[in-house]
Amino acid sequence: DTGVSQDPRHKITKRGQNVTFRCDPISEHNRLYWYRQTLGQGPEFLTYFQNEAQLEKSRLLSDRFSAERPKGSFSTLEIQRTEQGDSAMYLCASSSDRGNRPEAFFGQGTRLTVV
Amino acid sequence: AQTVTQSQPEMSVQEAETVTLSCTYDTSENNYYLFWYKQPPSRQMILVIRQEAYKQQNATENRFSVNFQKAAKSFSLKISDSQLGDTAMYFCAFIIYTGANSKLTFGKGITLSVRP
Repeated sequence: DTGVSQDPRHKITKRGQNVTFRCDPISEHNRLYWYRQTLGQGPEFLTYFQNEAQLEKSRLLSDRFSAERPKGSFSTLEIQRTEQGDSAMYLCASSSDRGNRPEAFFGQGTRLTVV
Repeated sequence: AQTVTQSQPEMSVQEAETVTLSCTYDTSENNYYLFWYKQPPSRQMILVIRQEAYKQQNATENRFSVNFQKAAKSFSLKISDSQLGDTAMYFCAFIIYTGANSKLTFGKGITLSVRP
């Protein structure tokens, strides 16, 4: 397994456009997290899944953000009608709630720039 | 609600010396894990060390060790023999091991600079 994979690595979009990011977790991991990070700040929680169920979504997240994990494997994060304030690094992480290894492993992130 | 506090925004250390990064957390749960993650400039977040709350023994990983004080809800990271490659942001993080509310919660991070 090559770890958590995110696609694309970079995305530049015009304000008002929709964007979609993909995350492929480590194959045996049933938990998947999305975070947003701006320069010099800590990761800000967006949402997380256990298998295909979305268990929590940040109250800070507007209705323009939606995430899915349809078969409990890969996940997508969509941002509709992008705004300049959405410019950030979007991080995906995965972990397992089985065994004794709950630590999360991160992908390399998708850097979004809204112009 | 669980919170993680890292009150020092920046620290600097001379190469080969020892530095300690502070972290406090708050939770009413008893079964949880604590982590330190490292994020080098423009690079991927990687796990440095983890600590199970039920273990009294402090975790160690080579030059990295923690001082876990459960009653005080304190979890500091000690880096010995600092190297230039240790320059990075360091994040303290927390997860409850079981239950529906098991999101990974991060502190705001600390920027560590290792001086040659």
